[in-house]
Amino acid sequence: GEDVEQSLFLSVREGDSSVINCTYTDSSSTYLYWYKQEPGAGLQLLTYIFSNMDMKQDQRLTVLLNKKDKHLSLRIADTQTGDSAIYFCAGVTSGTYKYIFGTGTRLKVLA
Amino acid sequence: GAVVSQHPSRVICKSGTSVKIECRSLDFQATTMFWYRQFPKQSLMLMATSNEGSKATYEQGVEKDKFLINHASLTLSTLTVTSAHPEDSSFYICSARDKASGQYFGPGTRLTVT
Repeated sequence: GEDVEQSLFLSVREGDSSVINCTYTDSSSTYLYWYKQEPGAGLQLLTYIFSNMDMKQDQRLTVLLNKKDKHLSLRIADTQTGDSAIYFCAGVTSGTYKYIFGTGTRLKVLA
Repeated sequence: GAVVSQHPSRVICKSGTSVKIECRSLDFQATTMFWYRQFPKQSLMLMATSNEGSKATYEQGVEKDKFLINHASLTLSTLTVTSAHPEDSSFYICSARDKASGQYFGPGTRLTVT
């Protein structure tokens, strides 16, 4: 089955950029998503990218997709303390609508 | 945007009892809903796909007799954890698929079995 890996932790200073990485094994995902989860809460959709795109920018968020290397990244510009959370990448298997989630990256923003 | 609710948000039950969790799509019809489980500090794992009017499809390793899923209407799916044990304590999240606009996640239900 699909494996989606993320680094476990990332710590940045307020105002710096954060880059969260995700690698996957199955290239059949049609859509790739980034979700944010705060402690004890559900998932908040941040952004998504179609598999035929290389980059998508949405305000402070930039998603880069390298299909050849099966690598997805989320860059958060001007990171704020309110961005501290766990970030999950997820791929949707074409035709099944099942989400396969990454292992999650815990982002800590230092004031 | 589309809203998915879950009820209850938190539940504590005694070992051996059953507990039902509801997932509702509030402003759209969802022919397909999904149930995920998230253990502390871990990722979400898909448990089953719930299809309106038919039997749920369970992922490998998920006991269908223990996790009963009923999708009786286009806006409601229920997950019943039968004979719950402490190892079933987890965060259960559902998602509902709107054919027109995508898939939306509920806020989650935290189950604690004592």
